[in-house]
Amino acid sequence: QVQLVESGGGLVEPGGSLRLSCAASGFTFSDYYMTWIRQAPGKGLEWVSYISSRSGSAMYYADSVKGRFTISRDNAKNSLYLQMNSLRVEDTAVYYCVRPANWGSLDIWGQGAMVTVSS
Amino acid sequence: HSALTQPASVSGSPGQSIAISCTGSSSDVGDSKYVSWYQQHPGKSPKLIIYDVSNRPSGVSDRFSGYKSGNTASLTISGLQAEDEADYYCNSLTSSSTWVFGGGTKLTVL
Repeated sequence: QVQLVESGGGLVEPGGSLRLSCAASGFTFSDYYMTWIRQAPGKGLEWVSYISSRSGSAMYYADSVKGRFTISRDNAKNSLYLQMNSLRVEDTAVYYCVRPANWGSLDIWGQGAMVTVSS
Repeated sequence: HSALTQPASVSGSPGQSIAISCTGSSSDVGDSKYVSWYQQHPGKSPKLIIYDVSNRPSGVSDRFSGYKSGNTASLTISGLQAEDEADYYCNSLTSSSTWVFGGGTKLTVL
């Protein structure tokens, strides 16, 4: 079945780095844009970044993470990544890997990976 | 783009209908046919329940419906059931080709 599984979350100190991975299965990964969405504890959803399909040549970021986070993909491995540098306490959240069926439909969500930034 | 505006909470009794509003601007909701709604139960991942303003994915109850007028989108849930108690989020594509979410609405079934 169609599935997204995140990994790589954990505890990191402010200023540190972490790399999230998302393994996709059950669909032709290269055909889809992919996106990361996060949710701070007890808070709402926040779009973080997305990458275009196939070559992944187009990448967009929320202002809150621009210049610190980098999204990438490896179609041969059916995997999506989020490199997070210069982490801040306010980056603490569950990070979801999400497949958009189209611009108006975020239809497949992973189970989420918890990232905690704390000293 | 600022977050879309949703009421923090709504409530209703079983069998009743409720509506959740989602107010944006002319650069997101007002200018987009790509408005969607998500249901999230505690400890779970969000689930798509309405896409492209008013369409339901396969398997989603027809008790859920979506509508948009101007800069405001709305989600209506008819025939409220206990299982509908959850958080609900709206989402819109913006004129900058990014996504923006609403702050979320907690639905309580009395």
